[in-house]
Amino acid sequence: QVQLQEPGPRLLKPSGTLSLTCAVSDASININNWWTWVRQTPEKGLEWLGEISPTGATNYNPSLRSRLTISVDKSKDQFSLRLTSVTATDTAVYYCAREAGGGKLDHWGQGALVTVSP
Amino acid sequence: EIVLTQSPGTLSLSPGEKATLSCRASQGFSSTYLAWYQQRPGQTPRLLIYGASSRAPGVPDRFSGSGSGTDFTLTISKLEPEDFAVYYCQQCADSPYTFGQGTKVEIK
Repeated sequence: QVQLQEPGPRLLKPSGTLSLTCAVSDASININNWWTWVRQTPEKGLEWLGEISPTGATNYNPSLRSRLTISVDKSKDQFSLRLTSVTATDTAVYYCAREAGGGKLDHWGQGALVTVSP
Repeated sequence: EIVLTQSPGTLSLSPGEKATLSCRASQGFSSTYLAWYQQRPGQTPRLLIYGASSRAPGVPDRFSGSGSGTDFTLTISKLEPEDFAVYYCQQCADSPYTFGQGTKVEIK
């Protein structure tokens, strides 16, 4: 059973940088899946942020492209999110997920609560 | 960007009743790229349906999906207590891959 593990809650100050890493277990990040980040807020619901392939090809949501970087470390079976210049609107639960064929997200991490506050 | 509009926002039903949830897209796309997710309170979203009509492993057969083009439907034939949750549709046909705003199925 594929498992995705995210870090615990984070508290950031505005203008800071958010870094999250998702560890993949019971599956290799090298196999033919893309790996995705999604966030959720009460106001906007679920928002797809971006994805990365095992070879490092990326696809970002245009609304975040200037601030977002997704990277992969195949040697550690993990992938990461880096979001710069955060504001209160980046406060959300951040999920990592595995994208299976056709784009469906068939395995999710438990979510990491990120709060941006002065 | 493809906008997905789900209706109704809230569905109030009793256990044993049938639930019909709608997801309408701002432009048409292949049904291959339409998925439905269930999110129970305090839990992570769970894949229910992919390719508009295929059930994910372990999903009971009371859940079914249908539709094409711009109109998609999730049907729960007889609601069980554990089915009261929020349901989201998602399109993966065109980046950015967008979600609907969700339909909450609540106990009447």
